[in-house]
Amino acid sequence: NAGVTQTPKFQVLKTGQSMTLQCAQDMNHNSMYWYRQDPGMGLRLIYYSASEGTTDKGEVPNGYNVSRLNKREFSLRLESAAPSQTSVYFCASSPQRTGGTEAFFGQGTRLTVV
Amino acid sequence: RKEVEQDPGPFNVPEGATVAFNCTYSNSASQSFFWYRQDCRKEPKLLMSVYSSGNEDGRFTAQLNRASQYISLLIRDSKLSDSATYLCVVVSGGYNKLIFGAGTRLAVHP
Repeated sequence: NAGVTQTPKFQVLKTGQSMTLQCAQDMNHNSMYWYRQDPGMGLRLIYYSASEGTTDKGEVPNGYNVSRLNKREFSLRLESAAPSQTSVYFCASSPQRTGGTEAFFGQGTRLTVV
Repeated sequence: RKEVEQDPGPFNVPEGATVAFNCTYSNSASQSFFWYRQDCRKEPKLLMSVYSSGNEDGRFTAQLNRASQYISLLIRDSKLSDSATYLCVVVSGGYNKLIFGAGTRLAVHP
């Protein structure tokens, strides 16, 4: 089983460039998430999608947009990359159950903005 | 104040030691709690869920104190392979929103 697949695994952008990080899950999960991880900061929620067709801001949404294309796919777009967006980005998914459930993560995308 | 707080460590312990991590959370309406493990340059992976009654999985014991709003993880008989960062996770809100602590780094040495 593939689980959660993210592409690309590594990316270097110049300031001002745009790009889209792709994420797909094959576990039929309703909820999907985008996190960024910086040293000493832990994982911070950028956006999440409780179900197909809905998206909500997390803790650090500025500079990002998301699209829940269908139940499987949840993409993250940087319209104009900035050095402050240098980070490791993780996509995750979880089944949505009352009381909450654990999330399953992709392998991450290491993004450097120069 | 952060919604989930952990001691960042690092905790440097010898093999065979017992080590405990604590985590506090601010939202009293939080519903579910987990401990994740993250190896260097890898994605986080679920270690165990935390139940109100406490739960144990081999050398690992997790406990929840709702009144004081903290979660703990106890690792007994530490192994070299336990070296990792341990992330406390709290689920809040009606849409299964997972909030992570910054993580506690554990280094087990021979």
